[in-house]
Amino acid sequence: KAGVTQTPRYLIKTRGQQVTLSCSPISGHRSVSWYQQTPGQGLQFLFEYFSETQRNKGNFPGRFSGRQFSNSRSEMNVSTLELGDSALYLCASSLGYYQETQYFGPGTRLLVL
Amino acid sequence: KNEVEQSPQNLTAQEGEFITINCSYSVGISALHWLQQHPGGGIVSLFMLSSGKKKHGRLIATINIQEKHSSLHITASHPRDSAVYICAVERRDSNYQLIWGAGTKLIIKP
Repeated sequence: KAGVTQTPRYLIKTRGQQVTLSCSPISGHRSVSWYQQTPGQGLQFLFEYFSETQRNKGNFPGRFSGRQFSNSRSEMNVSTLELGDSALYLCASSLGYYQETQYFGPGTRLLVL
Repeated sequence: KNEVEQSPQNLTAQEGEFITINCSYSVGISALHWLQQHPGGGIVSLFMLSSGKKKHGRLIATINIQEKHSSLHITASHPRDSAVYICAVERRDSNYQLIWGAGTKLIIKP
């Protein structure tokens, strides 16, 4: 079974631009979660989508948004990019049930100049 | 052999007990993370360590770089500490890619 895939793997943007990241979960998985990883802050939860609905949300500003499609693929959008948005964005998929193991993708490395 | 090994896989204890979860790794790292996943919730970062010891409330994390080993301790455990605890390492010079442990499922009984 193919693992979680994320595109693109690397991205360079400038301040003020917007960016869309994509995540394809493992086949059959209905839950997709997004995380931001930065050297100073560690790993922080952004949001989780299950069956096209946002089920959980972290403590990030409204510039960070996401959606999930009927095939469980998910996109994350960041508008009006700031320098502090430079990070590794990880996507994880799971079946979506209680305490189910999450499987992480390789991440998208975003650099904001 | 996995590059990050956690032990134990499952741990059940009584409220008030001192809890220790261990993590061993076999690669060179730039940092080690301890994360917590509550039932139905996302993963929360507890600590990020590159050396020594960190404390936050009843949680203590230590790392021994020479021995490639880290421990997470919980003092005066409480049922709300019940969660899956995950160790993850940032491989040195890997552009922040994480290698994840399998997690330790902790249940604290009242």
